[in-house]
Amino acid sequence: DQQVKQNSPSLSVQEGRISILNCDYTNSMFDYFLWYKKYPAEGPTFLISISSIKDKNEDGRFTVFLNKSAKHLSLHIVPSQPGDSAVYFCAASMGSNYQLIWGAGTKLIIKP
Amino acid sequence: DAMVIQNPRYQVTQFGKPVTLSCSQTLNHNVMYWYQQKSSQAPKLLFHYYDKDFNNEADTPDNFQSRRPNTSFCFLDIRSPGLGDAAMYLCATSRASVYNEQFFGPGTRLTVL
Repeated sequence: DQQVKQNSPSLSVQEGRISILNCDYTNSMFDYFLWYKKYPAEGPTFLISISSIKDKNEDGRFTVFLNKSAKHLSLHIVPSQPGDSAVYFCAASMGSNYQLIWGAGTKLIIKP
Repeated sequence: DAMVIQNPRYQVTQFGKPVTLSCSQTLNHNVMYWYQQKSSQAPKLLFHYYDKDFNNEADTPDNFQSRRPNTSFCFLDIRSPGLGDAAMYLCATSRASVYNEQFFGPGTRLTVL
């Protein structure tokens, strides 16, 4: 049973435009959500996170939005740059449980 | 630079032949994790250590074992690799206080022949 779903395996966006990556979850007990970015031949790197008490968190070009009623979060990248081409993973956690529940990732391709 | 190092980056083994993957960290984090990731799938947590306390996920096969001799090093032992164990193995670390912000190594790609 996939508790965290990223329904788009890939997404192609023109350089300079907005990239929107989506993530849905099923467990209402999740209270912290994260986005990780992964380049080929490297491990994932932490990008941005959001607590369930917030609905938005911004860090430079990256903004994460959380809609708890819809059990949905999204990552916005504005403007998109070629270096943003990577696989993006959404992950969720609950309480003091050390386990992160991961989505399967979305491959973002930024076209010049 | 503080980092998480995994060796080897690529490992080829034969069906049933034991293999050990290693991970070291210079971040001095208390928590270390081992994940298995198969192509186009989410990373799957196998186990984690909080200092020397070992925590096995319920669905991690007995074929997978781990050792953490000190803060800096952690090993993943696969006692009898099967074809289904071919995957990327990722090591990660975190501080106990911010456990969900994990720092990953580059991974070891395991091939089983």
